[in-house]
Formats: sequence, C-alpha cells, structure tokens
Amino acid sequence: QPVLTQSSSASASLGSSVKLTCTLSSGHSSYIIAWHQQQPGKAPRYLMKLERSGRYDKGSGVPDRFSGSSSGADRYLTISNLQSEDEANYYCETWDSNIHKVFGGGTKLTVL
Amino acid sequence: EVQLVESGGGLIQPGGSLRLSCAVSGVTVSSTYMNWVRQAPGKGLEWVSVIYSGGGTYFADSVEGRFTISRDNSKNTFYLQMNSLRAEDTAVYYCARDSPYCSAASCYVDYWGQGTQVTVSS
Repeated sequence: QPVLTQSSSASASLGSSVKLTCTLSSGHSSYIIAWHQQQPGKAPRYLMKLERSGRYDKGSGVPDRFSGSSSGADRYLTISNLQSEDEANYYCETWDSNIHKVFGGGTKLTVL
Repeated sequence: EVQLVESGGGLIQPGGSLRLSCAVSGVTVSSTYMNWVRQAPGKGLEWVSVIYSGGGTYFADSVEGRFTISRDNSKNTFYLQMNSLRAEDTAVYYCARDSPYCSAASCYVDYWGQGTQVTVSS
C-alpha cells in the first residue's frame, strides 16, 4: 500500500518561490498523485494531477504560478511569486485499488 | 460546474447515529465516483468511504462496519450513514468527487464540498 510523506512545514518570502515535496513509499514510485490546497478555515481545493513523467494537469482557475514536477518517487509542487493567499496547508493524494485513497500528512506553508 | 453541498452534521452523543447528505449539481451521481473525506480538529485529511458508479462501496478500516454509503439517483444526492459514533469520529466531513478521468492507474479528487461538522460528545 502506498504511503505519502510530506514535510510538516515550509516557509518562504513574499514574491519568492517555494518547492514542496511529496514522497511515495518504496515500490510505488510510478504512482500518479494530486495536489490540494487548503487555506485557513476553508475546504480543500484541487490544484493539479501530477504524473511520474512530470506531466501535470491543473484544475480550473489555478494560477500559472503553480506548477508540478517529478523525480523518481518525489512529486513536487512549485509556487512562484508567492502571494499572501498562498499561505495554506498543501496535501498530496494518491489512489490504489487496495486502499482506494490516501493523503499525505500535509505541509503548512507560511509566507513571510 | 460541479457543486457539492453537505448537510446533516451536528452534535451527537457517543453510540449515536447521524446521516450526512451531499447534494450534487453539475454531474449525475450515478455516473461518477463519490467520496467522503474527514478532517479531525487540527489534523490532516483522512479518506472515509467511496461509492463507485457501478455501486461498489469501500470504507476505511477505522469506520468499516459502522458507516455505510449510498446514493439516491432521483435526488442526485449521496449519503453517509454513521452508526455507533465515537469521540474519534469528531471531524469536518467533506464530500468529494473523483475526476471523470479516473483509470485503473489513478484516481483523484477534483471537486470538494464545503464540509459539515460532526461532533461526538456527551
């Protein structure tokens, strides 16, 4: 069964870039994941689907500042030109026919 | 556009039952995969249950045998029946639709509801 590992926190300055990581467990490095953003007090929002190849498909209305990439078992979410509204929790998600759906523990992003 | 609106949350005593509803618009519930995902206070997201378009249902181990998921195609609504509730079931419950591009290789949420609070306490 796949396990997704995320750093608990990250921080970056307003206007800079940040790269968040979601790591797939051993034996699951080919899995597709999705990234979701949860701003304080709000429901999660789908950002993008991200493949092993690094190809990604963003949800409707997701700004160009958000992009994805991959390397081995790592799936990345890069946010460029950080804005104050990007301060949020970011979760990765994957699926498996046995466990159906699993989420990473989430990364709390602070914009300084 | 797809919209998901949950209702039915509230305060319930341990051992009690509650039924959550998720009214869906913009897509037919019978043709899509619908999930319930919960978030305990200060915690991350936890998948709870799914109902597939073919009618198959699955549950997280933590709720297996206590929760059931169903849908009413005529109302375009799906439900989570929660029985034998415990304090650890306290959470915001979100309904969430899986992408229509789900395949044997992947499946992921592309729309979320706004959530409904369930509090289990005496």
